[in-house]
Amino acid sequence: SYELSQPPSVSVSPGQTATVTCSGDKLGDKYASWYQRKPGQSPVLVIYQDSKRTSGIPERFSGSNSGNTATLTISGTQAMDEADYYCQAWDSSTAVFGGGTKLTVL
Amino acid sequence: QVQLQESGPGLVKPSQTLSLTCTVSGGSISSGGYYWSWIRQHPGKGLEWIGYIYYSGSTYYNPTLRSRFTISVDTSKNQFSLKLSSVTAADTAVYYCATRPSSGDTTDAFDIWGKGTMVTVSS
Repeated sequence: SYELSQPPSVSVSPGQTATVTCSGDKLGDKYASWYQRKPGQSPVLVIYQDSKRTSGIPERFSGSNSGNTATLTISGTQAMDEADYYCQAWDSSTAVFGGGTKLTVL
Repeated sequence: QVQLQESGPGLVKPSQTLSLTCTVSGGSISSGGYYWSWIRQHPGKGLEWIGYIYYSGSTYYNPTLRSRFTISVDTSKNQFSLKLSSVTAADTAVYYCATRPSSGDTTDAFDIWGKGTMVTVSS
């Protein structure tokens, strides 16, 4: 079965750029989506079709996808961005999620 | 704007059948504009897609999961449901209902989620 791999954790200082990666076989041939989940809340779609921001998502969030890796980038990271981030793609009509990355803003 | 709300028992005994319902508001399941999904998250783990149903009743399930799941739709109540038979402690998780459009730019993404409901399997 298809798998997506994410680093368990990423740390970033306020105001710096955070990068969260998602790896999967030929992931670049698929569309990647990214979700943000804060404690006690349900996931929120942040990025879809690799790089498109959902309405209401700040411009500091951006995405890219090429080769085997999709990347979520948060420029000028703020404390409010501290959350778990999950990538997701479709393989053979099945939705697959990455294991999630805990972003800590130190 | 479509909103989703899960409901069901928070505690289920092992070997029993878990039944959850997702009530849709702000839109009609019968409109055919969405695929209606169930997704779960085990404690401390990632998200796991269970399957989806379309308003017509057609379903698709995650082939990596054992075939204990059944998703159904009740258009008259604007609800869709999940049944999981023969539950074990490994089925303890937060269960979310979510949806993605059947067309448009976000058809590959789950753009609306319910708040989730915690289900614990324990005797």
